[in-house]
Parts: sequence; C-alpha cells; structure tokens
Amino acid sequence: AQTVTQSQPEMSVQEAETVTLSCTYDTSESDYYLFWYKQPPSRQMILVIRQEAYKQQNATENRFSVNFQKAAKSFSLKISDSQLGDAAMYFCAYGLVFGNEKLTFGTGTRLTIIP
Amino acid sequence: SQTIHQWPATLVQPVGSPLSLECTVEGTSNPNLYWYRQAAGRGLQLLFYSVGIGQISSEVPQNLSASRPQDRQFILSSKKLLLSDSGFYLCAWSVFLRGAADTQYFGPGTRLTVL
Repeated sequence: AQTVTQSQPEMSVQEAETVTLSCTYDTSESDYYLFWYKQPPSRQMILVIRQEAYKQQNATENRFSVNFQKAAKSFSLKISDSQLGDAAMYFCAYGLVFGNEKLTFGTGTRLTIIP
Repeated sequence: SQTIHQWPATLVQPVGSPLSLECTVEGTSNPNLYWYRQAAGRGLQLLFYSVGIGQISSEVPQNLSASRPQDRQFILSSKKLLLSDSGFYLCAWSVFLRGAADTQYFGPGTRLTVL
C-alpha cells in the first residue's frame, strides 16, 4: 500500500524568507502524481502544485517549487519570499495515474509565518 | 470554469439522527466525484468515489452511504449518526485526462458535529 509521510508537524518562517517542507512516500508503482495542497483556516483544500512522476523537471508555480527525487521517493515543497497569506496546513498527496479512486495524503505540516 | 459547491457549510446533529450532505459540480461533464473525511488535526481519508451516475465505490465500511442521482451531484447520507461521524467532510472532483484520472479539486467542505 502507498504511504505518504510528512515528518514536520509544524514549521515557521520569517516573512520574506524561504522555507522547505518535506515529504516522503512509499510506492512500488512507476506512474503516479504527487501534489501539494494548502489548507488555510477556511479549511478548503487548495492545489498548490502538481508533479508527474515521469517528468524529470521539477514543477514550479510562481513562488512555489518542488524538489522531486524519484529514486529517493522524496517530494519537498519550497516556498520563496514567504507571505502572511501562506500560513496554512500543507498536505502532500500521492495518486496513481491510472487509479481513479483516491489520493493518499500525509498528515500535514502547519506553517506559521512570522511578521 | 468549473466550480464545486457543498452544503450545508456547518451542521450540528444529535446522535441517531439522519444525515444528508450535498455536493454539486458546475462547468464540467461526467466528473469523477469523491467524498473525504478529515478528523481534527489529521489528513484526509477517502470515504466514497464515483465514476458515473449510480456507480459508487466504498473505500472503508462505515455508518455512511453515498449516492449519485445526477451526473454532477453527489450525496453523502446516514440513517443514524454516531459520535464518531463528527468531522470535516470534503467533496472533490476530477476528470479523465489521457485515459487517467487527473488532479482532484475540492469543495469548501461541511463541518459536522454530532452531539
């Protein structure tokens, strides 16, 4: 069974600084997606970034980028120029390309932005 | 553009009462639909998913059931609520892209408290 592990329950960063959130996963599959979702106090899950496992190039979305290490099964999220609005729970998730049934989520990292 | 709605936003119900949560998607056809539950301080657990009208798959046995009476409508129900049913319920949708389920997008959620 696939598992997703986020080993940092809480992180904090000074506003305008850079922070990296860690995620590791376990799978025997070769074709899959990885995602980072953000859950602000409103609790709606918002997609931050997505990575397809067959792509070697790391995904980027404005201030958000990932470091995808397929052999190490590692998928970290880097947030540059942190802003107060980045404060939220961040969840790493795994989904099979040909598995339409579910995403497997980590337990989340609570990110605090220090003004 | 696609939007997803959930209602009610908040619900407080006594133990043993029935439950009906509704999710609708606009702006897309034949979506995959999902119900997740999030316990306090935890990640998301998939409850049900549906690939079409009347097609429901259950991820875990529980006190809940799901139905999909229309293409873009997904309903989560219970005949008799338990205390353990309390939590935050999220509906999500995705579409097939190149033969595989693509990114899941989430609704605003329903906070259910069973007393």
